[in-house]
Amino acid sequence: DAGVIQSPRHEVTEMGQEVTLRCKPISGHDYLFWYRQTMMRGLELLIYFNNNVPIDDSGMPEDRFSAKMPNASFSTLKIQPSEPRDSAVYFCASSGHPYYEQYFGPGTRLTVT
Amino acid sequence: DQQVKQNSPSLSVQEGRISILNCDYTNSMFDYFLWYKKYPAEGPTFLISISSIKDKNEDGRFTVFLNKSAKHLSLHIVPSQPGDSAVYFCAATNDMRFGAGTRLTVKP
Repeated sequence: DAGVIQSPRHEVTEMGQEVTLRCKPISGHDYLFWYRQTMMRGLELLIYFNNNVPIDDSGMPEDRFSAKMPNASFSTLKIQPSEPRDSAVYFCASSGHPYYEQYFGPGTRLTVT
Repeated sequence: DQQVKQNSPSLSVQEGRISILNCDYTNSMFDYFLWYKKYPAEGPTFLISISSIKDKNEDGRFTVFLNKSAKHLSLHIVPSQPGDSAVYFCAATNDMRFGAGTRLTVKP
């Protein structure tokens, strides 16, 4: 199994541009999570899906952020328009159960200038 | 509000000694906790878990202790090895809240 796959690994963009982060979860996992890691706030849950349906998006910082899961093998996190304060590492994780261990992807380092 | 807190941003220990990483939580309803280890440029990886029905769980060199009355858990690594140098996160899985992490450095 290749594990959770994220792309791109690095993204540098200018303020105001649209950014799309991608994630392929582990096959068979029903839960998918998006996290953001910053120095100030550590690892924050943004949103999670169960069977492709968003369950809790209370961590999404504002309307500029949106996430979709069109099928069991693909999810996107979109930021439009991006701002410098969105610079962080974004992780995707998947699991077979919401309360047990999650398997994280390698992350996408986003830099907004 | 930070319902899961790791108050020590960093810890440095000598190889072969014990490393103790601490984590506090505020919500008494939390009943399942996990520890993750994270190396630079990689995602966190699961290390060990504990349910509130237990007060201790061991896996090789790693032991997690849970004190429900104090709302406190700790991760013990004995003996510590240089390869254990990483950032350690505790998490309460009821609502996927993570602590800010503690950077452990094990010196040879």
